[in-house]
Amino acid sequence: GNSVTQMEGPVTLSEEAFLTINCTYTATGYPSLFWYVQYPGEGLQLLLKATKADDKGSNKGFEATYRKETTSFHLEKGSVQVSDSAVYFCALFSGGYNKLIFGAGTRLAVHP
Amino acid sequence: NAGVMQNPRHLVRRRGQEARLRCSPMKGHSHVYWYRQLPEEGLKFMVYLQKENIIDESGMPKERFSAEFPKEGPSILRIQQVVRGDSAAYFCASSPPAGSTYEQYFGPGTRLTVT
Repeated sequence: GNSVTQMEGPVTLSEEAFLTINCTYTATGYPSLFWYVQYPGEGLQLLLKATKADDKGSNKGFEATYRKETTSFHLEKGSVQVSDSAVYFCALFSGGYNKLIFGAGTRLAVHP
Repeated sequence: NAGVMQNPRHLVRRRGQEARLRCSPMKGHSHVYWYRQLPEEGLKFMVYLQKENIIDESGMPKERFSAEFPKEGPSILRIQQVVRGDSAAYFCASSPPAGSTYEQYFGPGTRLTVT
């Protein structure tokens, strides 16, 4: 079945460091891929998305490229801020299944 | 344009009581999804509804849980005879009519605590 695997957290970085959070997926067909962010005590916000191979999603300095050959959708940011501290979820949507499949989430803590 | 609304935000129930969670989708959205997030875990799909129809309930526990999305009013997730293991955050998401159901917008969640 479809599944998403994320790198385990927590990830602890200093402000202005480079961020990579790995995400790989298993799916039949051509799923759409997403990154969601969850700030403490809040719901999920869509951060970025990509709907086909080689698409690059980007938002607020974050970006991720849909790599079909490696079944990956790694999240990157060149210079993190304290305000980026949150839990990040990678997810896929495969139309025939009517639902988002989430990874377990990766907690990011950024220190000044 | 108001986002997805859920209430209550926090709900405390004793074991054996009933919990009712409400979700009002974004304006113009006719698809509703419920997800459950256990502590320190990702979200797990529970059920997908359209107005007056349950489309996919493959993630719903077989007993005690039910969901509806009536013609008028919010979607309701109902948990009967709650147990400690039901303690979790329950999130609702909505999406526009067919054609772009992959983009789901989430509400702030209801955090259920069973004592």
